Amino acid sequence: DVKVTQSSRYLVKRTGEKVFLECVQDMDHENMFWYRQDPGLGLRLIYFSYDVKMKEKGDIPEGYSVSREKKERFSLILESASTNQTSMYLCASSRPRGPQHFGDGTRLSIL
Amino acid sequence: GEDVEQSLFLSVREGDSSVINCTYTDSSSTYLYWYKQEPGAGLQLLTYIFSNMDMKQDQRLTVLLNKKDKHLSLRIADTQTGDSAIYFCAEIRMDSSYKLIFGSGTRLLVRP
Repeated sequence: DVKVTQSSRYLVKRTGEKVFLECVQDMDHENMFWYRQDPGLGLRLIYFSYDVKMKEKGDIPEGYSVSREKKERFSLILESASTNQTSMYLCASSRPRGPQHFGDGTRLSIL
Repeated sequence: GEDVEQSLFLSVREGDSSVINCTYTDSSSTYLYWYKQEPGAGLQLLTYIFSNMDMKQDQRLTVLLNKKDKHLSLRIADTQTGDSAIYFCAEIRMDSSYKLIFGSGTRLLVRP
């Protein structure tokens, strides 16, 4: 079974902090994705990556950056957290043109 | 447009069948997916269908695809209370990004 592991289920941070969300997959997938999910807005793609050190902006990249130094790990970085970044963050991985497999999500609260 | 559309809510009685509908826009989509999300959890891949198929059955799940109308449905037979969740359909973009475009999700409530 594909396993996508997000480092935290719940996280509370303060405005202005630099926040790191980590995601690891164990299936040697080339593609990795970060989404946020908000009530009434569905899933929105923040960033994705096709390969190590490659990154592409999704639909809402502002205020975020990513890092993919190793194939199995994709990190989402909130450079200076703001209250409007309080959300559920979901990581996914896939083979090229394959179905995406999701982690359990990180519920992030910015106070 | 890019919209994948679903109805927001469905309520059924335990033991009945549930049918969740979805319309999509990209006629070149090769795969269409159904995901399930339970409260506080991530999305679980339930099933998928290749665009040259009309139907796919997997135990209690039946997926029907009408390419002409760009209509996808998920039927759950003998619905159980454990099936209560949000169900998302998604299509894969066949441009260079291979992004998934998700619907807004249908909340299924199964009444005892």
